[in-house]
Amino acid sequence: EVQLVESGGGLVQPGGSLRLSCAGSGFTISSNSMNWVRQAPGKGLEWVSFITSSSSTIYYADSVKGRFTISRDNARNSLYLQMNSLRAEDTAVYYCARDPVGPEDAFDIWGQGTMVTVSS
Amino acid sequence: DIQMTQSPSTLSASVGDRVTITCRASQSISSWLAWYQQKPGKAPKLLIYHASTLENGVPSRFSGSGSGTEFTLTISSLQPDDFATYYCQQYNAYSRTFGQGTKVEIK
Repeated sequence: EVQLVESGGGLVQPGGSLRLSCAGSGFTISSNSMNWVRQAPGKGLEWVSFITSSSSTIYYADSVKGRFTISRDNARNSLYLQMNSLRAEDTAVYYCARDPVGPEDAFDIWGQGTMVTVSS
Repeated sequence: DIQMTQSPSTLSASVGDRVTITCRASQSISSWLAWYQQKPGKAPKLLIYHASTLENGVPSRFSGSGSGTEFTLTISSLQPDDFATYYCQQYNAYSRTFGQGTKVEIK
């Protein structure tokens, strides 16, 4: 079965750091661009970051630019999100999501999400 | 950044009803638009991409239309499994903006 599995979420104090991981299963992520999307409790979806298959192009939402870093290790079939200087407003479920191979960039596979809570 | 605006925010409907959700982009995005369905506690599920192409396995009662700045998602005959929140998303620009969501509730 093709799936993505996130891990690394938890409770962290404001100003702290956390590293999220997303592992591909049933397929190799090396061919795909990948994304992180988050959803604050009771709120809508917010795209966070994008990385191409070779890591040559990376984009961030303005809300996380300078604090979050997306990366990937294709040999480990994994995607990462390093989150620094965390704020209360970063509290959310974080999903990784796959861009399919080809010109279409809608997110066809999503992970189950990992919860990040920023609170003292 | 491209802004996406959905309407309505909430929609009350009955099983068997025809339902239409609208999504407007702040600038032209051609047909680079997707629709997702999300149920409570679950990840979003891709329904439609390129504005009108049904993802594999999605029931044919779902359809999408539009181009440029105005798009619609239509459910031709609402089924019990369709009560959920629906999001549009543009992928024309590097920031893949979502609409704020439309919750479809039981009337």
